[in-house]
Amino acid sequence: DSGVTQTPKHLITATGQRVTLRCSPRSGDLSVYWYQQSLDQGLQFLIQYYNGEERAKGNILERFSAQQFPDLHSELNLSSLELGDSALYFCASSVTTGSNEKLFFGSGTQLSVL
Amino acid sequence: AQSVTQPDIHITVSEGASLELRCNYSYGATPYLFWYVQSPGQGLQLLLKYFSGDTLVQGIKGFEAEFKRSQSSFNLRKPSVHWSDAAEYFCAVAYNTNAGKSTFGDGTTLTVKP
Repeated sequence: DSGVTQTPKHLITATGQRVTLRCSPRSGDLSVYWYQQSLDQGLQFLIQYYNGEERAKGNILERFSAQQFPDLHSELNLSSLELGDSALYFCASSVTTGSNEKLFFGSGTQLSVL
Repeated sequence: AQSVTQPDIHITVSEGASLELRCNYSYGATPYLFWYVQSPGQGLQLLLKYFSGDTLVQGIKGFEAEFKRSQSSFNLRKPSVHWSDAAEYFCAVAYNTNAGKSTFGDGTTLTVKP
């Protein structure tokens, strides 16, 4: 168990809808990353938050957004969903020792857009 | 931009046999390299990483990897595979020690025959 919790584990919705995925990092970890894993795109970094603020953006669509709350949990919002958004969405929290960062991944939310 | 290639989509080995998973990277400067394992229904778990120093790095679960700059490779090895090693393995490269923004390969699925 990595200590990172993601809910829900599975989500089925329809095109055009909006969903929210939730991630609770390990206790004390300030940094949260979101990733998308799909068959055609592989595993891609979407966005990073650190202590409530956006720190880095990857291949995140404009229809997607995220935020990190004062208790450090994070939510990824996906809107105007398309079939191609069906994927496994991971979050990870991290701890940095010196200059080395180690990631701890949640078990993911499987999103199916029908 | 950095990129990672895992040439083998799927590898099958017999239990007790040796294993080598290939990873080639493309990056202009000193790479920071990682291997992760993903078991079904789970998030990624870090096996090992290379930042600098000894080019042969030891990881968890009996895995090791060797960095070869001349070949732009970071192959993962294990001398004797166990059935529990069946999983998907991802190689990743980052431009600094911040692992979260890594570029991931497409993964290699390992099947272990009894």
